[in-house]
Amino acid sequence: DTGVSQDPRHKITKRGQNVTFRCDPISEHNRLYWYRQTLGQGPEFLTYFQNEAQLEKSRLLSDRFSAERPKGSFSTLEIQRTEQGDSAMYLCASSLGGQDQETQYFGPGTRLLVL
Amino acid sequence: GNSVTQMEGPVTLSEEAFLTINCTYTATGYPSLFWYVQYPGEGLQLLLKATKADDKGSNKGFEATYRKETTSFHLEKGSVQVSDSAVYFCALLLYSSASKIIFGSGTRLSIRP
Repeated sequence: DTGVSQDPRHKITKRGQNVTFRCDPISEHNRLYWYRQTLGQGPEFLTYFQNEAQLEKSRLLSDRFSAERPKGSFSTLEIQRTEQGDSAMYLCASSLGGQDQETQYFGPGTRLLVL
Repeated sequence: GNSVTQMEGPVTLSEEAFLTINCTYTATGYPSLFWYVQYPGEGLQLLLKATKADDKGSNKGFEATYRKETTSFHLEKGSVQVSDSAVYFCALLLYSSASKIIFGSGTRLSIRP
């Protein structure tokens, strides 16, 4: 299977702890996106990479959140000092980029529960 | 700003019924439009898309037509199956340097045997 993969699929942590999630995009895709989905809502954009460059961040991404894509392949999303409000599904998506290749393909997500 | 509004769920239908899920959008430019589906316990999957006015996207018996004059992209299926039970998200994408997707809040569909 050459789809988008995410790890872990589930994470339970205590408030105040740090967590890190990983996303592996489809191999030839140079764009990578992170979204957050809370219960009963649609996903909301968090941040976006073109190769290794982080080009846009949402206001939803507080200072406790940091994302990297060091070699332009996999990406990590770290949340420091987690809060209960961070509990959500974190989704990663990738695309080829370009006006005719904009379709984003999503991974299965990492469900975070902060106790 | 850019936004998507879709009909609230849950929607419950009997097998073989006709399905319509309404979706309207507001956009500052000319977006591409999508329907994504999320089956229980699974990730978001692209169901269909349309990139310009009057385009019709179709897949698995589902259809949606990009209506610029009414800013709508309603999802339809002539005869639903139990396996269609899922959450459906209407979404738009404005091509730009970021091309982030803006999703509606989702419509949960349940099909009774």
